[in-house]
Amino acid sequence: SQKIEQNSEALNIQEGKTATLTCNYTNYSPAYLQWYRQDPGRGPVFLLLIRENEKEKRKERLKVTFDTTLKQSLFHITASQPADSATYLCALGHRDDKIIFGKGTRLHILP
Amino acid sequence: DTAVSQTPKYLVTQMGNDKSIKCEQNLGHDTMYWYKQDSKKFLKIMFSYNNKELIINETVPNRFSPKSPDKAHLNLHINSLELGDSAVYFCASSQDLRAISYEQYFGPGTRLTVT
Repeated sequence: SQKIEQNSEALNIQEGKTATLTCNYTNYSPAYLQWYRQDPGRGPVFLLLIRENEKEKRKERLKVTFDTTLKQSLFHITASQPADSATYLCALGHRDDKIIFGKGTRLHILP
Repeated sequence: DTAVSQTPKYLVTQMGNDKSIKCEQNLGHDTMYWYKQDSKKFLKIMFSYNNKELIINETVPNRFSPKSPDKAHLNLHINSLELGDSAVYFCASSQDLRAISYEQYFGPGTRLTVT
């Protein structure tokens, strides 16, 4: 069955460093991959989308890579700030099919 | 301006009751969804509607019935509530299901507690 794994439940990073979150998947060939941010008590907020034919996408301090051979996406936050602390969800989808979410990684940026 | 709104935000009820959660989006999107996020934080799709037509119906008990009176509204009615229904329910919308790679906009969630 299709499976998405995000590297760890929680990640502690020192302020100013780069935070790197991992999303691995198996038994799936997604057409695209999305990253969302979720704060406690709130709904997920879309951050970035990357398609299967793209290697890398950037948006301000965020960077996403997508390696369909490794079946992995990396999500980077450079110059991390305490305000970046949240849970980050990766989600995979295919044309004409539902989107599947990972469990998320809780990121703590330590001041 | 709230893009996707849900009511109520909190819902506490007893087993066996019937309850509804309402969702509205003012983004002009064609597609709306219901998700369930359980205590382990997994976000699972339950239903999606495109222009008032049911598109995705995951394996959920038929005690759950979505209703879409128009494309801006997608309500969720739950009959005979059970303890295992306790979770946070999120409504979401996206521009067009056929271009499903469009990002989804989520509501604030409804925390349902069944006692």
